[in-house]
Amino acid sequence: EDKVVQSPLSLVVHEGDTVTLNCSYEVTNFRSLLWYKQEKKAPTFLFMLTSSGIEKKSGRLSSILDKKELFSILNITATQTGDSAVYLCAPYIRSYGKLTFGQGTILTVHP
Amino acid sequence: DSGVTQTPKHLITATGQRVTLRCSPRSGDLSVYWYQQSLDQGLQFLIQYYNGEERAKGNILERFSAQQFPDLHSELNLSSLELGDSALYFCASSQGLDPMQQYFGPGTRLTVT
Repeated sequence: EDKVVQSPLSLVVHEGDTVTLNCSYEVTNFRSLLWYKQEKKAPTFLFMLTSSGIEKKSGRLSSILDKKELFSILNITATQTGDSAVYLCAPYIRSYGKLTFGQGTILTVHP
Repeated sequence: DSGVTQTPKHLITATGQRVTLRCSPRSGDLSVYWYQQSLDQGLQFLIQYYNGEERAKGNILERFSAQQFPDLHSELNLSSLELGDSALYFCASSQGLDPMQQYFGPGTRLTVT
């Protein structure tokens, strides 16, 4: 059975802090890993990672994949209150065309 | 705004009832995905349709069914509702068969009382 575990489950920081969110997975026919940010409503796409060791960056957010150790991390530097959200990771399984989401990390950034 | 629309926004109904959730994908997108998000189960994939045909199935209960119509909008039918079906139901769409970079709709919040 496919398994996706995110840690920590919840994180509370102050503005300006740097955070690291973890996603480990055990799935068959792995193809890519996606990160989403979910605020009050629908998840919005952040990154898609397919190759190991290649960092993807978007502003203060960056992410990297380790296909050997089966995990990915999402880093957010100089956090802002607008970064408060649930961050979801989802491995994409080649054969089935579906995303299996982790339970998410709830990030709260205090001013 | 992702371009994916879902109706209704909120739905409150009683146990045993049947409801239909509707989704219109982004213009040009052929795939529609349905997800259920509850507090205890997280975001779970239910089913995918591509150009009217079922393509992938996830943890969808037998009491639930979906279809995609020729104009590509999709409906998710939930019957014999139970309290545990209370959740946020998301529809997402993508251009092709792959769910990568799919765009999520705003969701329908279903409350079963």
